Amino acid sequence: NAGVTQTPKFRVLKTGQSMTLLCAQDMNHEYMYWYRQDPGMGLRLIHYSVGEGTTAKGEVPDGYNVSRLKKQNFLLGLESAAPSQTSVYFCASSYAGTGGAGGYTFGSGTRLTVV
Amino acid sequence: AQTVTQSQPEMSVQEAETVTLSCTYDTSESDYYLFWYKQPPSRQMILVIRQEAYKQQNATENRFSVNFQKAAKSFSLKISDSQLGDAAMYFCAHRNTGTASKLTFGTGTRLQVTL
Repeated sequence: NAGVTQTPKFRVLKTGQSMTLLCAQDMNHEYMYWYRQDPGMGLRLIHYSVGEGTTAKGEVPDGYNVSRLKKQNFLLGLESAAPSQTSVYFCASSYAGTGGAGGYTFGSGTRLTVV
Repeated sequence: AQTVTQSQPEMSVQEAETVTLSCTYDTSESDYYLFWYKQPPSRQMILVIRQEAYKQQNATENRFSVNFQKAAKSFSLKISDSQLGDAAMYFCAHRNTGTASKLTFGTGTRLQVTL
């Protein structure tokens, strides 16, 4: 049982380049989330999805887009990377409704550096 | 919007001693969940303990316990018999029960364990 898998684990981008981070879960979770982690700021929600074909903005959505074409996958895109997007990115998933008591299942993170 | 505050950026404890990490939160809801997550240098987010707001009894998981004060909106984590492997970043988090059930994190407390 793989849980939540994020690819890639590390990436260096030049300013202005684009890339897509992939998150895949095999637990049939309805909800999926993208967070970024920066020193001294904890984890902040970028975008989330409550089901296939639906996405919504979180706390810090600017500069990012997402898509959830399949229930098991949640993609995070950076169209034109900026140094301010240097961060560690986490994907997470969970059951809906009362399944919230179980918390999230997290991926292992992607360290992105924009130079 | 929910907010979670961890006022201790760093804490230190001697091996075998007890340490308490503080967390306060703000919410207008009466039903919600609270969590403590551990993040070791490996970057993996590990669920330590959870508390349902409707339960008055404090949660306990082996050496980890919480002091949940609902009226004061306080949720502290006590680690007993500290071990070197407890050294990590600890995040307090709040989760609502509505649609999407988003987790809101504090800024974290870095725990050092000394011999």
